[in-house]
Amino acid sequence: AQSVTQLDSQVPVFEEAPVELRCNYSSSVSVYLFWYVQYPNQGLQLLLKYLSGSTLVESINGFEAEFNKSQTSFHLRKPSVHISDTAEYFCAVSLIQGAQKLVFGQGTRLTINP
Amino acid sequence: GAGVSQTPSNKVTEKGKYVELRCDPISGHTALYWYRQSLGQGPEFLIYFQGTGAADDSGLPNDRFFAVRPEGSVSTLKIQRTERGDSAVYLCASSLTGLTSFHEQFFGPGTRLTVL
Repeated sequence: AQSVTQLDSQVPVFEEAPVELRCNYSSSVSVYLFWYVQYPNQGLQLLLKYLSGSTLVESINGFEAEFNKSQTSFHLRKPSVHISDTAEYFCAVSLIQGAQKLVFGQGTRLTINP
Repeated sequence: GAGVSQTPSNKVTEKGKYVELRCDPISGHTALYWYRQSLGQGPEFLIYFQGTGAADDSGLPNDRFFAVRPEGSVSTLKIQRTERGDSAVYLCASSLTGLTSFHEQFFGPGTRLTVL
């Protein structure tokens, strides 16, 4: 079975500061890795994904995540956050083969202070 | 185009009652997923449909929960004899399918179920 641990339930940062949201996973087989974002009063949206190839993946709004197989991590980073990044962020995994149900972490609430 | 829609957006019921939650997936998406998100937690998988059949129902917590997708499009999640512990946001997602490739799951806004 797969599991995902997000080490921080809440992360407060100041606007324009860098941020890192941590994610570790456990799986005996290869998985795909994802970050989903849930803005206030909106549904879950895919932010970025790692399927294969380069271990560093980027989103269109400046976030990036790096797959580290040896540490079984997929931390999310942004060098300079904006107020609009305030949201809940979920790390998730799915099997590469078979049913692609998502296994989510507990979520990290990112709060940006002016 | 239209995204995944879920109705109702909010449902308040009394302990012991029966409820139905509806999901309309994106047109053409053959895969449909139900998840449950309790307060302060990430979504948890309940059931996955490929077409009309339930391909994986391993996440259903007990036999009070049942889901159908009779025509391979709209799905209904049914909960019998509701309990206070069933209170959560129920999320539906849909995607295309392929044996060897990833297909992004698109989520609906959810139905918030409150059992009094």
